[in-house]
Amino acid sequence: AQSVTQLGSHVSVSEGALVLLRCNYSSSVPPYLFWYVQYPNQGLQLLLKYTSAATLVKGINGFEAEFKKSETSFHLTKPSAHMSDAAEYFCAVSDARNNDMRFGAGTRLTVKP
Amino acid sequence: DGGITQSPKYLFRKEGQNVTLSCEQNLNHDAMYWYRQDPGQGLRLIYYSQIVNDFQKGDIAEGYSVSREKKESFPLTVTSAQKNPTAFYLCASSITPADSYEQYFGPGTRLTVT
Repeated sequence: AQSVTQLGSHVSVSEGALVLLRCNYSSSVPPYLFWYVQYPNQGLQLLLKYTSAATLVKGINGFEAEFKKSETSFHLTKPSAHMSDAAEYFCAVSDARNNDMRFGAGTRLTVKP
Repeated sequence: DGGITQSPKYLFRKEGQNVTLSCEQNLNHDAMYWYRQDPGQGLRLIYYSQIVNDFQKGDIAEGYSVSREKKESFPLTVTSAQKNPTAFYLCASSITPADSYEQYFGPGTRLTVT
């Protein structure tokens, strides 16, 4: 079965600094990969997804992620952090054969002024 | 606007009582899901439904029950058999069951049982 590991439960950056949130996946078939963002006491909102097209995926709010098969990674980046980026971020992997989506434990991003 | 609604936002119950959480979607999605979220544990799948009148257990179905009588509705009942029901519950839907289509999430219901 597929799984996702998010490295770092908490990441803190200064406003304007690079954001890098790490995600590694395990899947026996080509995966579909997703990044979601969650603000306090709200549901999850899709940031971006990889579905076997371009390996560099651009999402909303200036985020992007690169699928690297050799490293089984799908790290999320943003060149310049904004205070409004403070939230929890979840990486997820989907496998059509198993009809389910697996989520990582989440990474809480703090942005310091 | 299309979307998923969950009600209520906050719910308080006494131990030993069953409680039903509502989830409604007007996206015309076939698949619907219930997740439980606890701090530091991400999302854990409770139940999912691929089509009306059909549903499957997820990883943590014990102490929960669901029904799918209508395409747009997927209520979750937290029974008194659930040992630790206090959590944040999220409902989601997708066009088809998993695959390249993302899941759309409702705003969640925070259940507190004392």
